[in-house]
Amino acid sequence: KAGVTQTPRYLIKTRGQQVTLSCSPISGHRSVSWYQQTPGQGLQFLFEYFSETQRNKGNFPGRFSGRQFSNSRSEMNVSTLELGDSALYLCASSLGTRAQYFGPGTRLTVT
Amino acid sequence: GENVEQHPSTLSVQEGDSAVIKCTYSDSASNYFPWYKQELGKRPQLIIDIRSNVGEKKDQRIAVTLNKTAKHFSLHITETQPEDSAVYFCAAYSGAGSYQLTFGKGTKLSVIP
Repeated sequence: KAGVTQTPRYLIKTRGQQVTLSCSPISGHRSVSWYQQTPGQGLQFLFEYFSETQRNKGNFPGRFSGRQFSNSRSEMNVSTLELGDSALYLCASSLGTRAQYFGPGTRLTVT
Repeated sequence: GENVEQHPSTLSVQEGDSAVIKCTYSDSASNYFPWYKQELGKRPQLIIDIRSNVGEKKDQRIAVTLNKTAKHFSLHITETQPEDSAVYFCAAYSGAGSYQLTFGKGTKLSVIP
């Protein structure tokens, strides 16, 4: 099976702009989780979707949002970008049996 | 919410020696504990996991132990090789209704040839 894919792989934005990142899970996986990875904070949970429903959300401001489509593909959006949003954004998919498999990530740089 | 502490943050071992990374968690309802390996510039890869009804699991040179009473779990790598050099993350999956993996801060393992 093909692994988790994410697009784009790299992104450069300026402060105040918004960005949308995309994640395609492993075929058959219905759960998609998103994480922010930074050198100082490690991997931090953003949110989790299952069958188009957000089941949990981490401690991030409302500028961070997401959604999941009927084919399980997921997008996350960050509005009004800040310098501190520069990070690697990872998504992970799961069958729901808890084992999560990560995509390659999107490296976002905010200038 | 769940809190996962991971130690040490860096670890250097000679090739062929063993490496041990330890994690503690706070939520007694956590019931699934995976370990991920992340090489530089690559995605985290699941290398082994353990559920709360099991005390130990082994896969070739890698083993994980879980002590539910003390709320800690450990990763053991034997006969280390240079390709084991990476950052290792432990994580805990909180009980029903959380649907969230909480990660430790990571351990950078360097295996010296």
